[in-house]
Amino acid sequence: RKEVEQDPGPFNVPEGATVAFNCTYSNSASQSFFWYRQDCRKEPKLLMSVYSSGNEDGRFTAQLNRASQYISLLIRDSKLSDSATYLCVVSSPGYSSASKIIFGSGTRLSIRP
Amino acid sequence: NAGVTQTPKFRVLKTGQSMTLLCAQDMNHEYMYWYRQDPGMGLRLIHYSVGEGTTAKGEVPDGYNVSRLKKQNFLLGLESAAPSQTSVYFCASFPRTGKGETQYFGPGTRLLVL
Repeated sequence: RKEVEQDPGPFNVPEGATVAFNCTYSNSASQSFFWYRQDCRKEPKLLMSVYSSGNEDGRFTAQLNRASQYISLLIRDSKLSDSATYLCVVSSPGYSSASKIIFGSGTRLSIRP
Repeated sequence: NAGVTQTPKFRVLKTGQSMTLLCAQDMNHEYMYWYRQDPGMGLRLIHYSVGEGTTAKGEVPDGYNVSRLKKQNFLLGLESAAPSQTSVYFCASFPRTGKGETQYFGPGTRLLVL
């Protein structure tokens, strides 16, 4: 079983739709959680951190469920510019003094006009 | 701040050739990482460093070597390139505090091994 698993998609939704992604993780000791966005042929960039209480940034909402070991990302009123691959990232203790940072394989999102 | 920079941006090698990829960061971060990303796959950790003069193996270290002689630079070497090493290579840095922080990535190096 992969340490971090995501539905690879692709998700193909119309502009204005609401879309949600889930990501599950296997290490219950995981400490920090993030969503990254990666555009085609570009580097991953931090979209938002995920906090236990959930957090919102404009049209984006991230939530963490520690009991079930998953995080989610909700995008409301999707825009064409939201088309990208969304990476789930989980940080756990490990690698001696460095955090163990695991990336999911990503979920591809395509917004159509 | 330039953040994390990588050179070169693109390179074509023949099987058996060697090369070095350079990663530089100006954020005074302690930790640095080298990843590779293959089509349709996530990032896989090759090697990482927790400080100047230290390196350690990641998930897929075979065929690569690294050095961190200066805090701001992290070099990735391919001694004898193979077609299986065709990939996009990303460098990242991470502050030592770690709590609530995450990685900052360079723009990537696209490597094609023929």
